[in-house]
Amino acid sequence: ETGVTQTPRHLVMGMTNKKSLKCEQHLGHNAMYWYKQSAKKPLELMFVYSLEERVENNSVPSRFSPECPNSSHLFLHLHTLQPEDSALYLCASSQAKTGASTDTQYFGPGTRLTVL
Amino acid sequence: KNQVEQSPQSLIILEGKNCTLQCNYTVSPFSNLRWYKQDTGRGPVSLTIMTFSENTKSNGRYTATLDADTKQSSLHITASQLSDSASYICVVRDSNYQLIWGAGTKLIIKP
Repeated sequence: ETGVTQTPRHLVMGMTNKKSLKCEQHLGHNAMYWYKQSAKKPLELMFVYSLEERVENNSVPSRFSPECPNSSHLFLHLHTLQPEDSALYLCASSQAKTGASTDTQYFGPGTRLTVL
Repeated sequence: KNQVEQSPQSLIILEGKNCTLQCNYTVSPFSNLRWYKQDTGRGPVSLTIMTFSENTKSNGRYTATLDADTKQSSLHITASQLSDSASYICVVRDSNYQLIWGAGTKLIIKP
């Protein structure tokens, strides 16, 4: 295991539901990330937190709302999603956002989200 | 525009055979290039990382090469095993700490 856990592993929700994805890292890292992975497409960076402060938000729709209560936990709150939001959502952590250029991101197993 | 292109999109080979995956990039300024392996139902795991001055790096049966002049990298897998079935993703970091991800190559090893 990589030291990054995600729950739930699978989620099916309707367009009017509200749900949350959870990520926890046990590596003592200071930066955490949310990515969206769609079939046959590159990973899309959604949000970056460094020392619990959001430092990047790549034009993500407001129906996705991140929360980082401490350096070990990261949430992604979902509300009124669209079917095109169905994808694998990956959480990652690293030592620092702007640390050594060789700093490695460690990924969780992802949450497979299906929006009906 | 910074881009990372991988080929082939998918590949099927027999167990025990060798294969080579390609990655071409147009990222500038370049900092490093990393290959990740992503098993089905798992997140990506780093295999190798190479900086500008490195031409080759090995990790067991995986050998990555980098040609910074032509902006190309390859990942060579020797004596493939069933456990090598996965997606292999190339990602380039620029000097502004931005990561540019390729779409990956899906590799299937058949017995």
